[in-house]
Amino acid sequence: KQEVTQIPAALSVPEGENLVLNCSFTDSAIYNLQWFRQDPGKGLTSLLLIQSSQREQTSGRLNASLDKSSGRSTLYIAASQPGDSATYLCAAYTSGTYKYIFGTGTRLKVLA
Amino acid sequence: DAGVIQSPRHEVTEMGQEVTLRCKPISGHDYLFWYRQTMMRGLELLIYFNNNVPIDDSGMPEDRFSAKMPNASFSTLKIQPSEPRDSAVYFCASSTEGTGELFFGEGSRLTVL
Repeated sequence: KQEVTQIPAALSVPEGENLVLNCSFTDSAIYNLQWFRQDPGKGLTSLLLIQSSQREQTSGRLNASLDKSSGRSTLYIAASQPGDSATYLCAAYTSGTYKYIFGTGTRLKVLA
Repeated sequence: DAGVIQSPRHEVTEMGQEVTLRCKPISGHDYLFWYRQTMMRGLELLIYFNNNVPIDDSGMPEDRFSAKMPNASFSTLKIQPSEPRDSAVYFCASSTEGTGELFFGEGSRLTVL
């Protein structure tokens, strides 16, 4: 059974810092790994999707990597801004199940 | 291009009442998922459909919960009778088998008094 863990649960950084959010999964037979952003009271917004054949994806100041052998994905945010403050969730889509299993998220606060 | 549309956005009801949540997936998406989010348990998958057929409902907490997808553009999640512990945000999401990328609606916040 796939389990997804995100560490840390919360993070507070000053504006301008580069930061890394971690996501670990127990079953390496994943098809996709997707990163989302959730603002308070809102739905989840897709940030990056990494397919199993890929090692990383980039969008603007965001870069996500995937290492299936170690069961880890990281989301790198460059030059953080107060507008980046939100909860970031990762989700692993396990092959054969068609189910995305979510981590509990990292709540990020970027201080101006 | 419309995303996943859910209604109602907010629902307040009394214990014992029937609650129906609605979802319109993105056109052309062949997978539809219902999730529940709470502070205690995070995001939990309740049920998902492929081409309107329920595939896995192992996450549905009790027989009080039921879901249907009568056609490719509409799904409902029904709770009857509702209980205070059902209070949560219920999300609908859709995807295609091609990319597998998941897209969420804005959610329906349910409060059962």
